[in-house]
Amino acid sequence: EDKVVQSPLSLVVHEGDTVTLNCSYEVTNFRSLLWYKQEKKAPTFLFMLTSSGIEKKSGRLSSILDKKELFSILNITATQTGDSAVYLCAYFGNEKLTFGTGTRLTIIP
Amino acid sequence: GAVVSQHPSWVICKSGTSVKIECRSLDFQATTMFWYRQFPKQSLMLMATSNEGSKATYEQGVEKDKFLINHASLTLSTLTVTSAHPEDSSFYICSAPVIGQLLHFGNGTRLTVT
Repeated sequence: EDKVVQSPLSLVVHEGDTVTLNCSYEVTNFRSLLWYKQEKKAPTFLFMLTSSGIEKKSGRLSSILDKKELFSILNITATQTGDSAVYLCAYFGNEKLTFGTGTRLTIIP
Repeated sequence: GAVVSQHPSWVICKSGTSVKIECRSLDFQATTMFWYRQFPKQSLMLMATSNEGSKATYEQGVEKDKFLINHASLTLSTLTVTSAHPEDSSFYICSAPVIGQLLHFGNGTRLTVT
């Protein structure tokens, strides 16, 4: 059965800290892995990863995919209170997007 | 950029009534739309995939007679929660693929059934 598991489920850090969020998956017909940030309503897109070992970067956020070990990480450096949110990883396979459990990140000022 | 518009953003209804939620792609055509449900402090769970011109594909455990999906045109998909009950209270959100695997999401509908 296809599945995607995120860890930790929740994380509380102080502003300025660096965090690493984990996503492991077991998927048949894997096409891509995506990261989203969800605050109040709709998830907002962060990254889409299809190739192993290539880091994608956007400001203080970066992500990488390991297709051999079947995991991805999302790094956030110099965290700010505005980074507080639920971070969701999802895989696209079998023509649909399936989400993981999410990591609830709280940044303390 | 591509926009998915979802209405209403919130709705309160009485138990036993039906509620319709609309999802429109505003500046692109969507042959496929995905409907998700999210309970508090949980992740998004795919309910069904709507396909323009054909029947929707429901995920295991989702009652197709209760959650009616109609993909009437290339820009409109609707989800009707029939005979709603308090346990159907949830956050419903639609999405449409814009480019390949990249989905754009509506802002969601918070349904409360009293």
